[in-house]
Amino acid sequence: SYELTQPPSVSVSPGQTASITCSGDTLGDSDASWYQQKPGQSPVLVIYQDTKRPSGIPERFSGSNSGNTATLTISGTQPIDEADYYCQAWDSSGYVFGTGTRITVL
Amino acid sequence: EVQLVESGRGLVKPGESLTLSCAASGFTFRNYIMNWVRQAPGKGLEWVASISSSSSFIFYADSGRGRFTVSRDNADNSLYLHMNSLRVADTAVYYCARAMATAGTAFDYWGQGALVTVSS
Repeated sequence: SYELTQPPSVSVSPGQTASITCSGDTLGDSDASWYQQKPGQSPVLVIYQDTKRPSGIPERFSGSNSGNTATLTISGTQPIDEADYYCQAWDSSGYVFGTGTRITVL
Repeated sequence: EVQLVESGRGLVKPGESLTLSCAASGFTFRNYIMNWVRQAPGKGLEWVASISSSSSFIFYADSGRGRFTVSRDNADNSLYLHMNSLRVADTAVYYCARAMATAGTAFDYWGQGALVTVSS
């Protein structure tokens, strides 16, 4: 089955840039989405179709997708960005979520 | 305002059945692909099932295929997940989620989740 692999954790200082990778075979040929989930809350879509931000998502969130890797970048990371982040794509057998990355803002 | 509200949470024994419901409001439900996603305690997100707007296309993850049935009632703006032969490994919070109209691979609205606990 198709798998999307993310680093388990990323640490970043406030105001710095955080990047989370999502690796999967020919992922660049699919649309990648990214979700933010804070403890006890439902996921929130932050990036869709590789690079687009839904209404209400701050401009500091951006995405890219090429080859086998999609990347979520948070520029000027704020303490409120501390959360778990999941990538997602569609495979011929269904939707697939990445393994998840916890961003810690130190 | 788009709202998705799950119900039917509960504690069941292995082998038993349970049906979750999701009541949708604030959008034209019949026009959207709907989905179920679950999250086991302390674990990541796992897609469970999807159903097209007219129920013509239905997809299941391997974990639920043959045991779970997704359905919808467009007249009642409701989504359902009927789960048979439940296992301890099915213990999770189950979310209903709407697929975006313009980007069907992304889920733009999620419910608050319904906890299903399978334990003897």
